[in-house]
Amino acid sequence: AQSVAQPEDQVNVAEGNPLTVKCTYSVSGNPYLFWYVQYPNRGLQFLLKYITGDNLVKGSYGFEAEFNKSQTSFHLKKPSALVSDSALYFCAVREAGTALIFGKGTTLSVSS
Amino acid sequence: NAGVTQTPKFRVLKTGQSMTLLCAQDMNHEYMYWYRQDPGMGLRLIHYSVGEGTTAKGEVPDGYNVSRLKKQNFLLGLESAAPSQTSVYFCASSPGQSHEQYFGPGTRLTVT
Repeated sequence: AQSVAQPEDQVNVAEGNPLTVKCTYSVSGNPYLFWYVQYPNRGLQFLLKYITGDNLVKGSYGFEAEFNKSQTSFHLKKPSALVSDSALYFCAVREAGTALIFGKGTTLSVSS
Repeated sequence: NAGVTQTPKFRVLKTGQSMTLLCAQDMNHEYMYWYRQDPGMGLRLIHYSVGEGTTAKGEVPDGYNVSRLKKQNFLLGLESAAPSQTSVYFCASSPGQSHEQYFGPGTRLTVT
C-alpha cells in the first residue's frame, strides 16, 4: 500500500536562509508526487508536482522539489525563505489507479 | 471563476442530527473529492467521484454518504452526526487523477 511521511512536525528557519521540508514515500509503482500549502483558515493550494521527467521540479512562489527515486524522497526547498512562507505544508502521493494520500503536514515558521 | 465553493462555512450540530454539505465547482472538472482534516492527521479522503452519477469510498467513509447528481455539485451527507465527526471538511476537484486538486475554503463542523 502506498504511504507518505513527513518526518518533521515543525521546521523553523530565519528569513533569508534556505529552507527544506522533508517528504518520503512508499509506492509499488511509479509515483505521482505533490506539494500543497495551507494558510490559516484557508483551503489547500497547489505548489508543484512530479509526474515524470526532470527530477527537479519548479513551482509557485519560488519553491522547488527534487524527486529522488533511490531515496524515495521528494523534499520541498526554497533558496531564501520569507516570513510570508510561514504556513502548513503537505506532501501527497499516489500511484496509477489509486487515490491521493496526504502526509500529516509540516508547519513552517520563518522568523524575521 | 469562483473555483470551488463550499456551503456552509460553519455549522454546529447536536448528536444524532443530520445535515448536508454542498460543494460546487465551475471548472468543469470530472473528479471531485471530500476530505476531513483533523489536527496531526493530515487530510483523509472520505468519498470521491470520477464523474457525474458516480461515487466511491475513500479511506474513512463510515457515517457519511455522498451524491453527484450534477457534474458541478458534490454533496456530503451526515445521517446521524457523532462527536467523532467534529472536523474541518474540505471539498476538492480536479480535471483528472494525475492533475492537481483545487480546494474549497472548508466547512468547520462541530458536533456536540
